[in-house]
Amino acid sequence: ETGVTQSPTHLIKTRGQQVTLRCSSQSGHNTVSWYQQALGQGPQFIFQYYREEENGRGNFPPRFSGLQFPNYSSELNVNALELDDSALYLCASSLVGGGWDYGYTFGSGTRLTVV
Amino acid sequence: AQSVTQLGSHVSVSEGALVLLRCNYSSSVPPYLFWYVQYPNQGLQLLLKYTSAATLVKGINGFEAEFKKSETSFHLTKPSAHMSDAAEYFCAVSLSGSARQLTFGSGTQLTVLP
Repeated sequence: ETGVTQSPTHLIKTRGQQVTLRCSSQSGHNTVSWYQQALGQGPQFIFQYYREEENGRGNFPPRFSGLQFPNYSSELNVNALELDDSALYLCASSLVGGGWDYGYTFGSGTRLTVV
Repeated sequence: AQSVTQLGSHVSVSEGALVLLRCNYSSSVPPYLFWYVQYPNQGLQLLLKYTSAATLVKGINGFEAEFKKSETSFHLTKPSAHMSDAAEYFCAVSLSGSARQLTFGSGTQLTVLP
């Protein structure tokens, strides 16, 4: 197993810019979720993708968008960055289907700083 | 809707002492409950989960948690703390499964004193 890998590990952007964060799911996983973890807080669910379709969304504005590719890797895109978007962004993948749910494997995250 | 409250943002224990981290949940349906651990600059690692089977759940690294429906609690315990247990611990709830939308508490930072 290769685990979940995220890139980049750290990123600094200017307010108003756009950013793309990338995630490679664990081999064999078909579901990917993204979470935002602000400093000193618990992670908050952004959205989930299953078989390349959005499969649930948390309370985040449309400027947060995502993609899941046929190889189950994923991107998180954030437009018009705001200072409050500064956070650790966590990607989590899982194998779901046939009544089974094997739970998440989390990546180590991308630390985004907006200045 | 569901929510999680973790009582105590910081907990300190001596090495070898009992670890007790508190978690209370609110859920409109029988929940799935989880405890995750996060070490500095790392992602989340699952310690244990409750999925409506046994109410006493054993996890990794000697941790366990008991689901108490009457108290809406899912407290995490470990009989004897080790220095390597120092980390941040998150309780989480889901309405529909382990790899669905998780709602996390705000976390408890555990410090283990020598």
